[in-house]
Amino acid sequence: DSGVTQTPKHLITATGQRVTLRCSPRSGDLSVYWYQQSLDQGLQFLIQYYNGEERAKGNILERFSAQQFPDLHSELNLSSLELGDSALYFCASSAGHAPSTDTQYFGPGTRLTVL
Amino acid sequence: AQSVTQLGSHVSVSEGALVLLRCNYSSSVPPYLFWYVQYPNQGLQLLLKYTSAATLVKGINGFEAEFKKSETSFHLTKPSAHMSDAAEYFCAVSQNAGGTSYGKLTFGQGTILTVHP
Repeated sequence: DSGVTQTPKHLITATGQRVTLRCSPRSGDLSVYWYQQSLDQGLQFLIQYYNGEERAKGNILERFSAQQFPDLHSELNLSSLELGDSALYFCASSAGHAPSTDTQYFGPGTRLTVL
Repeated sequence: AQSVTQLGSHVSVSEGALVLLRCNYSSSVPPYLFWYVQYPNQGLQLLLKYTSAATLVKGINGFEAEFKKSETSFHLTKPSAHMSDAAEYFCAVSQNAGGTSYGKLTFGQGTILTVHP
């Protein structure tokens, strides 16, 4: 158990809908990262937050947004969903003091299926 | 831009045999390198990381990797495979601090390791 929790574990929805994925980082970690894992794209970095502020952005679609709250949990919002958004979404957290070398601890993921 | 290439999407070994999973990186600055393992229906778990200290890095579960700058490689090895090593392994590179990719991990495509009895 990494100490990172993600809810829900599975999500099935229809095209055009909007969903919210939730992540609680390990106790004491200030950085949260979101990654998408799909068969065709592999593991892709989406976005990073540190202590409530956005720090880095990857290939995140404009239909996707995220935020980190004062209690440090994070939410990833996916809207106008398309079939191609079906994937496993991982949250990871790290201490945040040395981002390049910090160990990122991954949650179990949320499997999103868009029908 | 940084990138990672894992040679071989599938590797099959017998129990007790040497495990060798290959990873080559491309980076314009000194890289930090990681190996993660993913068991079925689970998240990723760090096996080991290279952060510019010793070039031979020892990790969990008997795995180790050697950073070779001249070959731009960071191959993962284990002397004797165990059935419980069957999983998917990912090599990743992290960019040095600064810029818009602060802390971002760039992953390879993964290598599925199968261990036969």
